[in-house]
Amino acid sequence: AQKVTQAQTEISVVEKEDVTLDCVYETRDTTYYLFWYKQPPSGELVFLIRRNSFDEQNEISGRYSWNFQKSTSSFNFTITASQVVDSAVYFCALSNYNQGGKLIFGQGTELSVKP
Amino acid sequence: EPEVTQTPSHQVTQMGQEVILRCVPISNHLYFYWYRQILGQKVEFLVSFYNNEISEKSEIFDDQFSVERPDGSNFTLKIRSTKLEDSAMYFCASSSSGGGHEQYFGPGTRLTVT
Repeated sequence: AQKVTQAQTEISVVEKEDVTLDCVYETRDTTYYLFWYKQPPSGELVFLIRRNSFDEQNEISGRYSWNFQKSTSSFNFTITASQVVDSAVYFCALSNYNQGGKLIFGQGTELSVKP
Repeated sequence: EPEVTQTPSHQVTQMGQEVILRCVPISNHLYFYWYRQILGQKVEFLVSFYNNEISEKSEIFDDQFSVERPDGSNFTLKIRSTKLEDSAMYFCASSSSGGGHEQYFGPGTRLTVT
């Protein structure tokens, strides 16, 4: 069975703090893809990153970075020097190559960045 | 930048009524999806659609639901006889390819069943 677990329901930080959002996944497939999406208070889902199971390189994009570790089935997301505009719900998601692309989402982590 | 659009943004309907939610995917995309999100909960997959047919559907997508691509641009989700528990945000998404490619989501339609 495929499953995504985001154990942190809510995180609150003060602006400029670094914060890491955890994501643990389960799948029996050897080829799969991992994603992060951001859902700001306005409600839309914004694609942030996609990673395939064969690429364990960490990725950095501005203040965002992602750490993919197959050994622990984790795909964690770090925001450096957080800003108030980072306040949102962040969803980790899994897609298996052979299943036509459906996304299996975690429960989401609500990040609140206070000034 | 191309984007997925959805109409209406908010729909209020009475229990037992039929509703049609509309989506215009990104124009060169071939894979289309519907998801729903009950307030405060996670996003749940409903159905995927490719080459004018359903490629996969979830347990939620029962006989009350149907999807259609009536022309070259629209993609619709119909709920035949709405129930209170159908109240949710419905998101349409599209992708240029299946099998794990990134999906781009529309802004959602908030469906309220009274």
